[in-house]
Amino acid sequence: NAGVTQTPKFRILKIGQSMTLQCTQDMNHNYMYWYRQDPGMGLKLIYYSVGAGITDKGEVPNGYNVSRSTTEDFPLRLELAAPSQTSVYFCASRSSGNTIYFGEGSWLTVV
Amino acid sequence: AQSVTQLGSHVSVSEGALVLLRCNYSSSVPPYLFWYVQYPNQGLQLLLKYTTGATLVKGINGFEAEFKKSETSFHLTKPSAHMSDAAEYFCAVSGPLVGGGTSYGKLTFGQGTILTVHP
Repeated sequence: NAGVTQTPKFRILKIGQSMTLQCTQDMNHNYMYWYRQDPGMGLKLIYYSVGAGITDKGEVPNGYNVSRSTTEDFPLRLELAAPSQTSVYFCASRSSGNTIYFGEGSWLTVV
Repeated sequence: AQSVTQLGSHVSVSEGALVLLRCNYSSSVPPYLFWYVQYPNQGLQLLLKYTTGATLVKGINGFEAEFKKSETSFHLTKPSAHMSDAAEYFCAVSGPLVGGGTSYGKLTFGQGTILTVHP
């Protein structure tokens, strides 16, 4: 059981470039989330999804987009990368039994 | 709406001393409470969680926490600190998936507490 898989683990982007952070879970969870972590700020919710085809904004959605075409996949898209998006990104899914599974994180630097 | 406040961004203890990391929450629905630990450049590891039932929750590595509804607190304790406990600790609150309204099980995190353990 792979759990929640995020790729890539590390990435350096130039300002204005675009990229997609991939997130896949094999547990058939409906609820999935994207967080970003900045020093001293804890984790902030970017977007979430309650099932395939349904997504909504979290606390800090500006500069990001998501899609949820399948139950398994919840990619996060950065359209025009900015230095303020330098962060660590975590994808998570939640079971009906209230166990939350986190991916291992993606370290992104925008220069 | 929900929020978490962790009192003290840095806590320093001696090896063998009591560890106490404070967490207060607010929630408009019955809270589910979590403590996570993060070692440098690593992901989040669940220490323990409270959902329903017994208010004293035991987790991994000798940690425990007590849910006190009247004080809206969920403080994390460990009787005797080890050097390996040095890490950053996050408290988080969510609503239940069922009966949680539009919270949709979203976790809201505190700002984190960095624990330093001195020899």
